[in-house]
Amino acid sequence: EVQLVESGGGLIQPGGNLILSCEGSGFSFTDPWMAWVRQVSGKGLEWVARIRSSAAGGTKTYSTAVKGRFTISRDDSKNMLYLEMRRLKTEDSATYYCAWEVPEGAFGYWGHGALVTVSS
Amino acid sequence: DIQMTQSPSSLSASVGDRVTIACRASQGISNYLAWYQQRPGKVPKLLIFGISSLQSGVPSRFSGSGSGAHFTLTISSLQPEDVGTYYCQTYDLATFTFGPGTTVEIK
Repeated sequence: EVQLVESGGGLIQPGGNLILSCEGSGFSFTDPWMAWVRQVSGKGLEWVARIRSSAAGGTKTYSTAVKGRFTISRDDSKNMLYLEMRRLKTEDSATYYCAWEVPEGAFGYWGHGALVTVSS
Repeated sequence: DIQMTQSPSSLSASVGDRVTIACRASQGISNYLAWYQQRPGKVPKLLIFGISSLQSGVPSRFSGSGSGAHFTLTISSLQPEDVGTYYCQTYDLATFTFGPGTTVEIK
């Protein structure tokens, strides 16, 4: 069974830094292209970042809202996906989901989410 | 960037009704169109990818159609467990865009 489990969320002051982790199990972690998607409470879904598999070059892309502040990375040897978030803003407060990209640019598997609250 | 719109923003229908949700992209998007269901308090779930391909395990009452910039999600016979918010999503130039969502309730 495919499982994605996020960790690292919490309360952080504006301007602070935080690293989210996502551990995958039940599948070969080297294959999937992975992404982070966030959702403000009561609002819609917003794509944050995506990283291709190492075999596909490991290319990283980011949404305009986080480009230059967030960094997505992966450690296939540990089945881990990361999101390093810097210079956090109050508008970055959201539940962050890691997701496995399936064909046609869709997200077929989702973690349960990690809540990030940016507040003073 | 591609913009996605959905209509209606919410709907209320009876059990057994046929429900249709529309999604429109700001430009043609080839086959990169997916639909998700998010039940209240739950994680989003992929229903349809590639416009009309049903994700494994998804009931056959869900179907997707469309082309170019206009797409539709249809629930052929609404069930109580279908209550939730439905999002369309596309992929273009290595970026992903979700629609604003359509909330489905039971009348």
